[in-house]
Amino acid sequence: GQQLNQSPQSMFIQEGEDVSMNCTSSSIFNTWLWYKQDPGEGPVLLIALYKAGELTSNGRLTAQFGITRKDSFLNISASIPSDVGIYFCAGLNNAGNMLTFGGGTRLMVKP
Amino acid sequence: DGGITQSPKYLFRKEGQNVTLSCEQNLNHDAMYWYRQDPGQGLRLIYYSQIVNDFQKGDIAEGYSVSREKKESFPLTVTSAQKNPTAFYLCASSTDSYNQPQHFGDGTRLSIL
Repeated sequence: GQQLNQSPQSMFIQEGEDVSMNCTSSSIFNTWLWYKQDPGEGPVLLIALYKAGELTSNGRLTAQFGITRKDSFLNISASIPSDVGIYFCAGLNNAGNMLTFGGGTRLMVKP
Repeated sequence: DGGITQSPKYLFRKEGQNVTLSCEQNLNHDAMYWYRQDPGQGLRLIYYSQIVNDFQKGDIAEGYSVSREKKESFPLTVTSAQKNPTAFYLCASSTDSYNQPQHFGDGTRLSIL
């Protein structure tokens, strides 16, 4: 099946620092999604990207849909303690009905 | 409030028993999904259903079964054939429109006694 490589696997940063994580794929996706998951909870959608080259912001979060349609990145600016969690990228297949998830990036923020 | 409700939050099963996890949504979504998440890993698709009375196997369907008798409900049964059932199970739903994101419930953690 399709594979999504997400990096880094984990990050430990100081409060106030900016964060960047990315996903790459061997296959093309029509839609890229970024989710955040808190411990013991379900993933919550942060940003959805629908067009190659698209750059979308949601508060301190910015994500881009790579021009080749095989990659995406998520940036978090001025991190705060509540940013702690696991961030997942996910790509929707051509039929638009099946998600493939990356392995997640665990973010830890030191106050 | 509209949303996806999974129950119970925690579930314990004896070896050799079947157990059913509930997923209900009041978002009027046509498509529903079940995922399995193991510690430190991403989500893997077990089954999905795009319309009532129809469902398809995902990547790891062996040892699981589902039904979709109502639009708002998509229960997952973990059978005794699933040899390693301990995991966090997540249900999701989406509209039937092309390329619409999936929204998740809060999960059920299944453990073997």
